[in-house]
Amino acid sequence: DGGITQSPKYLFRKEGQNVTLSCEQNLNHDAMYWYRQDPGQGLRLIYYSQIVNDFQKGDIAEGYSVSREKKESFPLTVTSAQKNPTAFYLCASSRRGTSLGTGELFFGEGSRLTVL
Amino acid sequence: KNQVEQSPQSLIILEGKNCTLQCNYTVSPFSNLRWYKQDTGRGPVSLTIMTFSENTKSNGRYTATLDADTKQSSLHITASQLSDSASYICVVRTMNYGGSQGNLIFGKGTKLSVKP
Repeated sequence: DGGITQSPKYLFRKEGQNVTLSCEQNLNHDAMYWYRQDPGQGLRLIYYSQIVNDFQKGDIAEGYSVSREKKESFPLTVTSAQKNPTAFYLCASSRRGTSLGTGELFFGEGSRLTVL
Repeated sequence: KNQVEQSPQSLIILEGKNCTLQCNYTVSPFSNLRWYKQDTGRGPVSLTIMTFSENTKSNGRYTATLDADTKQSSLHITASQLSDSASYICVVRTMNYGGSQGNLIFGKGTKLSVKP
């Protein structure tokens, strides 16, 4: 079945450590996104990529890094520079286009990161 | 400032009852509005999309309405089931002046609990 796979589902990290969250999609979507979700807040955009080898900062990119070497993969690294990394991280993908498409986001199941 | 406000923040209803969730937005220019359902610890899934010209759209027991003049949308759930317990997120997409898809503005969600 087509979809988005995030791993790991749960991750614990010590302060000062970098951690990488995996996101893979087989929907043949051009665009991929990383969002952060905190209790009582709306989803906030960390990074997005419209095409391979290109990505853009979102609203809260500080302390995060990404790469887009393959169309199917968009890993997110949470670095030690991120001051409050404990959160639920969601990866999503969508078709890219300039038409008035609906732009539906297809989300993965999320990764919950806890910093100890 | 583009904003999406949802109400109520949380809601508890008995199984079999109906309920209505509200979404008010101040997004301009408007492209579309989408309702997502997010089960606890999972990624959001699209329920329905409303474009400027649409007033009502149903998806099973879910009916969304849109009043583009007052910039309000509602999601009505009929004959609620225990599986409807989730967060419901309203997301509005802006439109770029070239007609292409713009940014997504997320509401904070309404947490619905359906009790037996």
